[in-house]
This record gives sequence, C-alpha cells and structure tokens, in this order.
Amino acid sequence: EDQVTQSPEALRLQEGESSSLNCSYTVSGLRGLFWYRQDPGKGPEFLFTLYSAGEEKEKERLKATLTKKESFLHITAPKPEDSATYLCAVQAGSSASKIIFGSGTRLSIRP
Amino acid sequence: NAGVMQNPRHLVRRRGQEARLRCSPMKGHSHVYWYRQLPEEGLKFMVYLQKENIIDESGMPKERFSAEFPKEGPSILRIQQVVRGDSAAYFCASSPRQVSSYEQYFGPGTRLTVT
Repeated sequence: EDQVTQSPEALRLQEGESSSLNCSYTVSGLRGLFWYRQDPGKGPEFLFTLYSAGEEKEKERLKATLTKKESFLHITAPKPEDSATYLCAVQAGSSASKIIFGSGTRLSIRP
Repeated sequence: NAGVMQNPRHLVRRRGQEARLRCSPMKGHSHVYWYRQLPEEGLKFMVYLQKENIIDESGMPKERFSAEFPKEGPSILRIQQVVRGDSAAYFCASSPRQVSSYEQYFGPGTRLTVT
C-alpha cells in the first residue's frame, strides 16, 4: 500500500539551530514529491517539487533533497517566521487521486 | 494575479442541512482538486475536475457528496444531509495542467462545523 510518513510529528528549535525534517515514502512508481508549508488556519503553500533521486532544490533557508526512499527538508539557521507545519506529498501515478499527503511536521522556532 | 479563492471561510451547519463550498481557481487554471483535512491528519484527496467534467472522484464518499465545475463560475463541493463527521477543513487547489506536470496551488480553505 502506498504510504507517506513524516517525522518527527513536532520539532521545537532555538532560533539559528539548524535541523532536518524527514519524509519517508513507500509508493509504486514515484512521479513527484512535493513539499508544502501550512500556517494555522491557512491553505498549504507550495515550496518544492522533486522528481528523481539525487535532486536538490533550495529556497532561502530551506533545502529539499530526495533519495529513493525518503526526502529531507533541511532548515538552516531558522527564524521564528519559519514556524509552521511542513507537509510532504507524493504522486504515485498519473492520476490526481494518487497524490498522498503525510500528516506533517509542526515546526516551532523560539526566538 | 489573485490566488485560489474559497468561500465561505467558515460554515456552520446543523445535522441534516446542506453545505455548499465554493472554489474559484487561479486565473488561467482549468484543473481543480478538492481535499479534506481532519484535525491532526493529512490532506485526503476527494475529487479532481476540469471544466464541465469530473475526471476522478475516487476519494469522494459515494453518498451525500457531489462536486461540479461548470463552464462559468466557481467549482462547487456540495454535502447533503451533513453529519458531525463531516466537520473538517475543505481545501481546493488548482493547476494549469494535470498535476503530474505542475504543482498545485491551494486556497485558504473552508472550515465546516456541523452542530
């Protein structure tokens, strides 16, 4: 069965303390892996799409990487405004119904 | 360029009433997707539509739920005879092409509370 697991469920960091969020997936035929940021009471905001193992993408303090079994979202020197829930999703086929979201990692950055 | 718009943002319905949720995709986007998010859970796919066509409704409950995306106007997710278990955040997303090629852009969601 296709599955996406994110860890940890919650992460509290001090401002400037770098860390990584994990997204492990078990799918047949990965077509793409997506990272989103979601603030309380709002819709997910698109961050990155990764298509193949070894691919990396960066945006400000965030860098996403992809292997054949997992993806990492690295956060370098985070600031309080980086506090949010980070969602990972994978597309396991050509149909939209094959987009599977993880339950997210709640990231909190203390000043 | 306005983003994906959803209304209402909050909706309260009594058990047995109907709920209508509206979604206007981003300009130039002809593909619309609906998701449901329960507290502490991930987003669950419900239905994928293009103008005047339902492409994939495999994630939508067979009864009480329906969706449409008419030629003119917003996409509508309709829930008839709501029950408490329908309480959730419902998100709409749009993309210019099939999602296998392009990322989705989400609206702010409609939070449905069934009392």
